[in-house]
Amino acid sequence: RKEVEQDPGPFNVPEGATVAFNCTYSNSASQSFFWYRQDCRKEPKLLMSVYSSGNEDGRFTAQLNRASQYISLLIRDSKLSDSATYLCVVNGAGSYQLTFGKGTKLSVIP
Amino acid sequence: DTEVTQTPKHLVMGMTNKKSLKCEQHMGHRAMYWYKQKAKKPPELMFVYSYEKLSINESVPSRFSPECPNSSLLNLHLHALQPEDSALYLCASSQAGGGTDTQYFGPGTRLTVL
Repeated sequence: RKEVEQDPGPFNVPEGATVAFNCTYSNSASQSFFWYRQDCRKEPKLLMSVYSSGNEDGRFTAQLNRASQYISLLIRDSKLSDSATYLCVVNGAGSYQLTFGKGTKLSVIP
Repeated sequence: DTEVTQTPKHLVMGMTNKKSLKCEQHMGHRAMYWYKQKAKKPPELMFVYSYEKLSINESVPSRFSPECPNSSLLNLHLHALQPEDSALYLCASSQAGGGTDTQYFGPGTRLTVL
C-alpha cells in the first residue's frame, strides 16, 4: 500500500463549483498533515495545515479523520486561479520526513 | 516573511562540469532540506540539515554534495552529473525539524544536464 494516496485527477470543474479532494495515509503514527498547492513549473506552496478539529481558510476547508487515516480538502466557489496540482503531505516515519502524495490536478474552466 | 531564495533559477551543465546550487533563508529556521522533483512526480527528499549538521542523506549518489556553511545558507555541489539528474531542485526550510514543522519551499533551480 502506498504511503499517501490521492486521486490523480484531473478534475475539470466550472468556475463557481465546489470540489473535494481526498487523501489516505498508511502510517498511523503520522503527526502532521498539510495540503500544498503547486502550479506548473513552480515550487509547492503551503495551502493549509490540517487538524483533527478541521480548519477553514476562506473558501478552503480541510478535515482530518485519524481513525480512518483520511484527509480531505474542500474548495468552494472555485476560481480560475485555483487551477493547480494539490499535494497531500504527511509527516512520515522520521521527524523530518514529509511524505507526499502524487498530487491531484485541478483545472477550473471559465 | 516565509521566503526561501534559490540561485540560479536555471542551470544547464555538461556531464564533466562542476556547479553549485545555493539556497538562503532568513526566517531563523534551523532545519534545511534539498529535494529533487521530476516532471509530474512529487518532490523526493535528498538531504536534511538540522542545526547545520547533516541529519539525513537519502542514499543520494556522491556526485551530489551538500554543504551548510551557516544556519541561513545551504549549498548543493554538483559534479559529473548524468542526464537523468535533470530535474527541479527544491530547497526548503523549517523551524527546527520536528515532526509538526511546516516546510517552506524556495522557487527551485531547474537543472538540465547535457
